[in-house]
Amino acid sequence: GQNIDQPTEMTATEGAIVQINCTYQTSGFNGLFWYQQHAGEAPTFLSYNVLDGLEEKGRFSSFLSRSKGYSYLLLKELQMKDSASYLCAVRDSNYQLIWGAGTKLIIKP
Amino acid sequence: IAGITQAPTSQILAAGRRMTLRCTQDMRHNAMYWYRQDLGLGLRLIHYSNTAGTTGKGEVPDGYSVSRANTDDFPLTLASAVPSQTSVYFCASSEGATTEAFFGQGTRLTVV
Repeated sequence: GQNIDQPTEMTATEGAIVQINCTYQTSGFNGLFWYQQHAGEAPTFLSYNVLDGLEEKGRFSSFLSRSKGYSYLLLKELQMKDSASYLCAVRDSNYQLIWGAGTKLIIKP
Repeated sequence: IAGITQAPTSQILAAGRRMTLRCTQDMRHNAMYWYRQDLGLGLRLIHYSNTAGTTGKGEVPDGYSVSRANTDDFPLTLASAVPSQTSVYFCASSEGATTEAFFGQGTRLTVV
């Protein structure tokens, strides 16, 4: 079966750095996505990795290792507005997105 | 403002009733999707459409049907609602199979 694993919840301090991990086992791989979802709102796109390595976009970076089935989302200089759920999703061999359950990130002052 | 619009925003529905959730996008995206999101679970694909005139079944299609008569609209119908269909439903679209998906604001459906 196909599986995406991420921690259920993480807590971090405002101004700090946090790393949210995602491991996956899917039938094929055609890219990995990270989305942010605030409570009661729709998911919004953050980043996309299809090749191994680090993609940096402002305060957010995403890393991929295809051989390890592993990705992480790195958030720097945390702000209170970063409190949200972060969803990891993988496109499988049929180009369908397989989603993790999401990691709820709590930012404390 | 370009994007995806879902209607209604929320609905309480009696079990056994028929209901259609509406989804319209103005980005001229080829692919559209319907997901349900339940607490503790990831988004689960109900049905999808890679292009107007075609549809496919996702992970949890039972009890749902869709149509794609044109590029912009992708309605989801519950033929006879059951309590287990209580969920938040998201419609999404993408330009193609390899690009990111954009989501509507969601429909919160409660079946009683």
